[in-house]
Amino acid sequence: GQSLEQPSEVTAVEGAIVQINCTYQTSGFYGLSWYQQHDGGAPTFLSYNALDGLEETGRFSSFLSRSDSYGYLLLQELQTKDSASYFCAVRGGGGYQKVTFGIGTKLQVIP
Amino acid sequence: DTEVTQTPKHLVMGMTNKKSLKCEQHMGHRAMYWYKQKAKKPPELMFVYSYEKLSINESVPSRFSPECPNSSLLNLHLHALQPEDSALYLCASSQEKSGGVGETQYFGPGTRLLVL
Repeated sequence: GQSLEQPSEVTAVEGAIVQINCTYQTSGFYGLSWYQQHDGGAPTFLSYNALDGLEETGRFSSFLSRSDSYGYLLLQELQTKDSASYFCAVRGGGGYQKVTFGIGTKLQVIP
Repeated sequence: DTEVTQTPKHLVMGMTNKKSLKCEQHMGHRAMYWYKQKAKKPPELMFVYSYEKLSINESVPSRFSPECPNSSLLNLHLHALQPEDSALYLCASSQEKSGGVGETQYFGPGTRLLVL
């Protein structure tokens, strides 16, 4: 099976940088994704790492180390609208189509 | 168009009712997913369809019956549900290929289901 670990809550101030870590255990790993979900909303895709290294998309960056089974999401220049839950999700552990989400990290950005 | 639509938005049903949830996408995606999400929990994968064929069933009880009539539509038929099945049901779609391009899952807004 798969297991993922990420912090349950993080608080940061507006303008700051925050890093949300995710460690995973899975067989047949294909890649690690990150999703944002606001209260009452649906998850929206942020990034995907299949290979080691850093992917940057605007204020958000994601990193993966396959050898360490570890990744993180980096959010820069935080804004209050970034307050949401952030989920890491693994593809694999039963084929490419199998997706398993972590418990989610609730980020609160304080003005 | 990167939209996945789901109907209805809300559904209240009794344990003896039969109802269906519908999902539609017109992005040409050949992989479609059903997830269940309870409050303050992550989405849990239920079913995956690939090219209109069921490829993953995560040991979901038979009172949930998925159907993929064509490449744009996905249904979830509900029968004899239990109160613990109350949750947000999310549909998602993605391209059917590995690698970064195929990874993006587009989620619909979900159907909020209450079973009485």
